[in-house]
Amino acid sequence: DQQVKQNSPSLSVQEGRISILNCDYTNSMFDYFLWYKKYPAEGPTFLISISSIKDKNEDGRFTVFLNKSAKHLSLHIVPSQPGDSAVYFCAASANKLTFGKGITLSVRP
Amino acid sequence: DAGVIQSPRHEVTEMGQEVTLRCKPISGHDYLFWYRQTMMRGLELLIYFNNNVPIDDSGMPEDRFSAKMPNASFSTLKIQPSEPRDSAVYFCASSYGQGAYEQYFGPGTRLTVT
Repeated sequence: DQQVKQNSPSLSVQEGRISILNCDYTNSMFDYFLWYKKYPAEGPTFLISISSIKDKNEDGRFTVFLNKSAKHLSLHIVPSQPGDSAVYFCAASANKLTFGKGITLSVRP
Repeated sequence: DAGVIQSPRHEVTEMGQEVTLRCKPISGHDYLFWYRQTMMRGLELLIYFNNNVPIDDSGMPEDRFSAKMPNASFSTLKIQPSEPRDSAVYFCASSYGQGAYEQYFGPGTRLTVT
């Protein structure tokens, strides 16, 4: 039973355009959400997070939006760069972290 | 700090053999986590420790899996006997806390069981 769902396995975007990565969750007890980025042959690294009391958090080119009523969050990357090509994991916390399956982002030059 | 260190980076073994994966967390981190990554299930939490004590092992798939943390700077994940379906990438991570705290991941161990 996947409590954190990333339904699209991959996304391809042109350099300079916006990348929107989506994530849905089912557990209402989740109170904190995080995005991790993973390059091949490396471990995931923390990217950005948001508390359930907020609906937006921004850090440079990265913005995470949270819609609690829809149990949905999204990561926006603007503008997208080729170096952003990686696997992105959505994670949610209710005491411990639960990860989604990840989405592979490819940014075309 | 060198970050979280895992060894070996790659392990190829035959079905039925014992496999031991090793992890050195970042100094000062009180929490240590073991994850498994597969295409089908993504990143799954297997077990985590707080101050060397196992807190939640509900993600450990079977009795064939065991984990220990004898001290603050070392942990092992053991699979005995190993099976082909155990083939995956195993990550160790550490942090100052659980839940909302940022976790720092090691590079992973790619395990192949033939």
